[in-house]
Amino acid sequence: NAGVTQTPKFQVLKTGQSMTLQCAQDMNHNSMYWYRQDPGMGLRLIYYSASEGTTDKGEVPNGYNVSRLNKREFSLRLESAAPSQTSVYFCASSEVFSWGNQPQHFGDGTRLSIL
Amino acid sequence: DAKTTQPPSMDCAEGRAANLPCNHSTISGNEYVYWYRQIHSQGPQYIIHGLKNNETNEMASLIITEDRKSSTLILPHATLRDTAVYYCIVRVAGQFYFGTGTSLTVIP
Repeated sequence: NAGVTQTPKFQVLKTGQSMTLQCAQDMNHNSMYWYRQDPGMGLRLIYYSASEGTTDKGEVPNGYNVSRLNKREFSLRLESAAPSQTSVYFCASSEVFSWGNQPQHFGDGTRLSIL
Repeated sequence: DAKTTQPPSMDCAEGRAANLPCNHSTISGNEYVYWYRQIHSQGPQYIIHGLKNNETNEMASLIITEDRKSSTLILPHATLRDTAVYYCIVRVAGQFYFGTGTSLTVIP
């Protein structure tokens, strides 16, 4: 009963380093999402993948890249980390790309600090 | 401009109903309103969603006004484990907006 699994749970980087955050879901969902959450704020969408083979920008995509490796996995990459990217990152999935009648299921987050 | 407006914090006595309001005046006619909660910075947990009619499930009830510009999440018998940040979420121009949420504290 794993649902959405994110790795790692915690990470500290130095400015300029690169990092890939991993996300996998076992619910056979078609759509996957990456969000960031800054202190005292709600989640903001970085990128999403409506279906395997497609990715699109969300509200705050600058400084990030994504890869939908297969139906199960969706990774988020920081090519050159900056202190402004210090945040908690959440991955989510849903059966289809529409919240019309499909809730998203979230992982427990990756806490990333960039010094 | 905010897509949703919620009070930043609320208290509720244990065992009483918690009523959490949300304004979403820019919501489109065919877009759903979703409610999630987040406990101790865990991943958000789905609670309920609705379009026009009132909805009820095992966790909560959702009341949506006829003009759909606002809604209220009702936790009928709040427990200490309901202490969390509650987010009212709408989709505007294709993007999903969480807003800053309401921090609900259930008091013994």
